Amino acid sequence: AQKITQTQPGMFVQEKEAVTLDCTYDTSDQSYGLFWYKQPSSGEMIFLIYQGSYDEQNATEGRYSLNFQKARKSANLVISASQLGDSAMYFCATRILKGAQKLVFGQGTRLTINP
Amino acid sequence: NAGVTQTPKFRILKIGQSMTLQCAQDMNHNYMYWYRQDPGMGLKLIYYSVGAGITDKGEVPNGYNVSRSTTEDFPLRLELAAPSQTSVYFCASSGKGTSYSNQPQHFGDGTRLSIL
Repeated sequence: AQKITQTQPGMFVQEKEAVTLDCTYDTSDQSYGLFWYKQPSSGEMIFLIYQGSYDEQNATEGRYSLNFQKARKSANLVISASQLGDSAMYFCATRILKGAQKLVFGQGTRLTINP
Repeated sequence: NAGVTQTPKFRILKIGQSMTLQCAQDMNHNYMYWYRQDPGMGLKLIYYSVGAGITDKGEVPNGYNVSRSTTEDFPLRLELAAPSQTSVYFCASSGKGTSYSNQPQHFGDGTRLSIL
């Protein structure tokens, strides 16, 4: 079975600072994907970034990067130069890349950016 | 670009009533999913489908039913609404991912359902 653990219920960061949101995962499969989604107060789920288990380089998408440490089973999200619009819930998720490819989500981290 | 469309956006039901949450996607995705999100929590999988005519239970299927007669549509049915089903419901779809391809799940905007 897969499991995602996000140990930070809430984070408070000053605008323009970098922030790291923690995510550890547990999976018995060798082929899996790791995802980060953002959920603003309006409620929609916004895909941010993806890392495949066989990717040797950390994924980057604009100000988002994923710090993938396979041996430690961690997939932390790093947001550089935070902005007020980054205030939201952030969810880490994983799925096995075979069969139905169901996503398993963590509990989320609420990020608040202070001006 | 429509993506995943859910209707209705909001609904209030009385205990014991039934209703169907609609979900449609226009990306020709084979995989579709229904999740529920309780306040302050992550998403939990209710049902999923890997193609027309094929559905299966997720983590929390009790009290719900689904059908998948077409690739585009994946409705979720509540037969006897209970207060415990008060939640936000998300429908999602995706293509088939591999270790080397990025196939994120695309989510609808959600349906906020209250059972009173």
